Amino acid sequence: EDKVVQSPLSLVVHEGDTVTLNCSYEVTNFRSLLWYKQEKKAPTFLFMLTSSGIEKKSGRLSSILDKKELFSILNITATQTGDSAVYLCAVQGYGNKLVFGAGTILRVKS
Amino acid sequence: DVKVTQSSRYLVKRTGEKVFLECVQDMDHENMFWYRQDPGLGLRLIYFSYDVKMKEKGDIPEGYSVSREKKERFSLILESASTNQTSMYLCASSLSTEQYFGPGTRLTVT
Repeated sequence: EDKVVQSPLSLVVHEGDTVTLNCSYEVTNFRSLLWYKQEKKAPTFLFMLTSSGIEKKSGRLSSILDKKELFSILNITATQTGDSAVYLCAVQGYGNKLVFGAGTILRVKS
Repeated sequence: DVKVTQSSRYLVKRTGEKVFLECVQDMDHENMFWYRQDPGLGLRLIYFSYDVKMKEKGDIPEGYSVSREKKERFSLILESASTNQTSMYLCASSLSTEQYFGPGTRLTVT
């Protein structure tokens, strides 16, 4: 059975801190790994990673995939209160289905 | 921009009622998905569809059915609502890997 595990489940940081969110997976026929950010409503897409070792970057957010060790990290530097959200990791195996982790709840205090 | 809409943001139903949740996407996507999201469990796939009149069971289909009569519309049906179906329901659509989510329907069954 395909499985995605995220850690930590939740964390609280202060503005300006750097955070690292983890995602490990076991999936048959891995095709890609996706990160989403979910505030009060719909998850919004952040990154899709398909190749090991290639960092994807968007502003203060970056992510990298290790297909040998079966994990990905999402880094957020210089955190702001607007980064407070649930961060979801999902893995695509066979077909177009995604398997999601439980999410990491991030709270950034001012 | 892709737009995925869901018929209700909040819904309260009684045990035993038949419940319809509607989802509409405006980007001509082939794939549509229904998830439920519960604290600590992440998003779990209920049903998905790759084409009109086509449906496949996800990981937790029990107690649910779906209908896809038109490409843009995917309906989730709770034949006889139960209290353990109280949850946030998210609809998504995709062309390939990246899924676009609707705002969610928070269903409470009393």
